Amino acid sequence: GDSVTQMEGPVTLSEEAFLTINCTYTATGYPSLFWYVQYPGEGLQLLLKATKADDKGSNKGFEATYRKETTSFHLEKGSVQVSDSAVYFCALSLASGGSYIPTFGRGTSLIVHP
Amino acid sequence: DAGVTQSPTHLIKTRGQQVTLRCSPISGHKSVSWYQQVLGQGPQFIFQYYEKEERGRGNFPDRFSARQFPNYSSELNVNALLLGDSALYLCASSFGQVGTNEKLFFGSGTQLSVL
Repeated sequence: GDSVTQMEGPVTLSEEAFLTINCTYTATGYPSLFWYVQYPGEGLQLLLKATKADDKGSNKGFEATYRKETTSFHLEKGSVQVSDSAVYFCALSLASGGSYIPTFGRGTSLIVHP
Repeated sequence: DAGVTQSPTHLIKTRGQQVTLRCSPISGHKSVSWYQQVLGQGPQFIFQYYEKEERGRGNFPDRFSARQFPNYSSELNVNALLLGDSALYLCASSFGQVGTNEKLFFGSGTQLSVL
């Protein structure tokens, strides 16, 4: 079945460091890809998305490029802040029987120290 | 504007009991979807309702059921609770049916503990 694999966490960085969180997927068709962020005590929020190969999603300094050849959607940010500390979820959405079923990865916790 | 609201925030039940979780979508949103998030895992899709009809179902047993009301609010019911049902249950709303370009708005969830 369809699945999303994320790198194990926690990822611990100092402020202003470069961030990469790896995400790869397995899907039978051509999914849309998403990154969601969950801050402590809050619900998931959509961070960015890409709907076709070579699309780049970006938001709040975060970027991810849909790489069909490597089935990847790695999340990057050039300079992280303490306020970026959260859990990040990679997800895909694919049509199944007339509806779109979202599939999430297990999440990667990011801790940013001052 | 109010976001997606879920109630209750926390719930403790014993094995074999039944539970009902509630979700109010953002005003104007017609789709509600439910997810189970076990500690340390990502959300797992349970149901999607759009315009009061079930439009998708994940790989969950028949003990799980849901419905959507005319005001687009939704309830998730779980019968014959098992210890493994302990999880955070998330509700998300969107204007249209969940699809490639629909943005999901999540509530903060209901934490269910089954003892």
